Amino acid sequence: GQNIDQPTEMTATEGAIVQINCTYQTSGFNGLFWYQQHAGEAPTFLSYNVLDGLEEKGRFSSFLSRSKGYSYLLLKELQMKDSASYLCAVMDSNYQLIWGAGTKLIIKP
Amino acid sequence: IAGITQAPTSQILAAGRRMTLRCTQDMRHNAMYWYRQDLGLGLRLIHYSNTAGTTGKGEVPDGYSVSRANTDDFPLTLASAVPSQTSVYFCASSEGTSGMSTGELFFGEGSRLTVL
Repeated sequence: GQNIDQPTEMTATEGAIVQINCTYQTSGFNGLFWYQQHAGEAPTFLSYNVLDGLEEKGRFSSFLSRSKGYSYLLLKELQMKDSASYLCAVMDSNYQLIWGAGTKLIIKP
Repeated sequence: IAGITQAPTSQILAAGRRMTLRCTQDMRHNAMYWYRQDLGLGLRLIHYSNTAGTTGKGEVPDGYSVSRANTDDFPLTLASAVPSQTSVYFCASSEGTSGMSTGELFFGEGSRLTVL
């Protein structure tokens, strides 16, 4: 079966760096997405990786290793507004998105 | 403001009643989707539409139906609501090409449905 694993919850300190991991087992691969979802709100797009390597976008970076079925989202210079859930999703060979349950990130001052 | 509008924002519904969740987008996106989100589970696809006039079943389609009469609207209907359909429902769209979208999804603000 298809599976996306990510930690349920993480805690980090304001100003620090946090890495949220995502491992996947899917039928084929057509890209990996990260979305941010604040409590009670809609998910919003953060990043898309289809090739191995690191994609940097401001304070956020996303890494992909297709051979390991692994990705991480790196958040630098954490701010209180970064408190949210981070959703990992993989597009399989049928172009269907498979979603992880999300990682709730708690930022403490 | 371009985007996706869902209605209602929240609703309490008696079991057995019929309910339609509305979704409208003004981005002229080809593909539209309905997801449900439950605590501890990832987003689960209910139904999708690659283009106006076509629809398809997702991971959890039972008890739900959709229609896509035009590009902008994609309503989701619960013919006879049951308590297990209590959830937050998100409509989404993407530019989409063939099959499922290869691009970013744009989500509506969600509809919180409680079935008693």
